[in-house]
Amino acid sequence: DAGVIQSPRHEVTEMGQEVTLRCKPISGHNSLFWYRQTMMRGLELLIYFNNNVPIDDSGMPEDRFSAKMPNASFSTLKIQPSEPRDSAVYFCAVRGPTRNTEAFFGQGTRLTVV
Amino acid sequence: KNQVEQSPQSLIILEGKNCTLQCNYTVSPFSNLRWYKQDTGRGPVSLTIMTFSENTKSNGRYTATLDADTKQSSLHITASQLSDSASYICVVSARYSGAGSYQLTFGKGTKLSVIP
Repeated sequence: DAGVIQSPRHEVTEMGQEVTLRCKPISGHNSLFWYRQTMMRGLELLIYFNNNVPIDDSGMPEDRFSAKMPNASFSTLKIQPSEPRDSAVYFCAVRGPTRNTEAFFGQGTRLTVV
Repeated sequence: KNQVEQSPQSLIILEGKNCTLQCNYTVSPFSNLRWYKQDTGRGPVSLTIMTFSENTKSNGRYTATLDADTKQSSLHITASQLSDSASYICVVSARYSGAGSYQLTFGKGTKLSVIP
């Protein structure tokens, strides 16, 4: 896991509620990624940041999803309002300064929207 | 359309045996190909990263190959252990023009079960 900390590990919420997922990346890794994983679709890239700046958010499913990276040590993924189809495991990952360096994933947040 | 196809979808092997997982892709322009191991309930862990010029790369009992001409990669596991039971995911990166712009295409993974 190499030190990427995600919280919470599990989240159960009612449809319509706001959900905020948190990620504390490893210092010195200036690219941060948010992924979603489901049985049906596998891993999907939602958004990635480079030096705290969102570079590509084309994977964000719809306007209900938003992500921020206010500084190099913290990022959030927010879903408002949440829907049952958002139920998935959400991973945060970081990577070093070049494209061919290793990426490290957090343990993930398992989100269940009922 | 960029695609990554992995086979087989699932595999059961006896402990100590070797196995090979396949990854075929149509991603272009190619930047790199990564193999990840994902244990149940945990995040993916990087096994290998291969660029266009690399044909083979090893990480312990794991050896990845890449044929950029045929757009195929394989992950060979030697002398399997029970702890190798996991999903193995192939991810191919394409690089487009523009600062930092690149696209990841994920395979659905191969679920490997190693039994005693």
